[in-house]
Amino acid sequence: NAGVTQTPKFRVLKTGQSMTLLCAQDMNHEYMYWYRQDPGMGLRLIHYSVGEGTTAKGEVPDGYNVSRLKKQNFLLGLESAAPSQTSVYFCASSYFFSGAYNEQFFGPGTRLTVL
Amino acid sequence: TQLLEQSPQFLSIQEGENLTVYCNSSSVFSSLQWYRQEPGEGPVLLVTVVTGGEVKKLKRLTFQFGDARKDSSLHITAAQPGDTGLYLCAGVIQGAQKLVFGQGTRLTINP
Repeated sequence: NAGVTQTPKFRVLKTGQSMTLLCAQDMNHEYMYWYRQDPGMGLRLIHYSVGEGTTAKGEVPDGYNVSRLKKQNFLLGLESAAPSQTSVYFCASSYFFSGAYNEQFFGPGTRLTVL
Repeated sequence: TQLLEQSPQFLSIQEGENLTVYCNSSSVFSSLQWYRQEPGEGPVLLVTVVTGGEVKKLKRLTFQFGDARKDSSLHITAAQPGDTGLYLCAGVIQGAQKLVFGQGTRLTINP
């Protein structure tokens, strides 16, 4: 099993450009998440999905959109990139969201720089 | 404002020393997790604690959940260079369906 994979690993954008980050998991997990990680801030939840065809806003959703057309894939889109979106983006997935059973499995991350 | 405050944010010690990392909040958590993250990789779960006062041991690592379920600690005995990494606590706020992370503790163990 590959677990959680993310594409691409690195990307440099100019302000105003758009891009899509792809996350795929092969563990048949219902829940999927997108986080961003910035120095001194830990991980902050951008958007999440509790199943195919559903999405919900997290802590910092502005400037991002997501789609979950297939259970195994979760896409994160930036319509008009801004320098404040320079960050490392992590995708994660889990079976449930219920306390003790909520182990999240993370991908390797995508390092995005917006100039 | 961080819901979960970790301290210290940076810690550099010599091999063989003991250390404790703290994770504190004013909120009550239904469960709390500790993750470890290596450079260039995503976080990996170390442990989940659910019951107030619970203590779990993972080899040289001891995790404790506070009685009031508002805080947790990670204690490492006889630290080794392989323990180097970013340690993150994360909690599920009671009644919510989201995991909130602390800002992390970057630990360096020098040989």
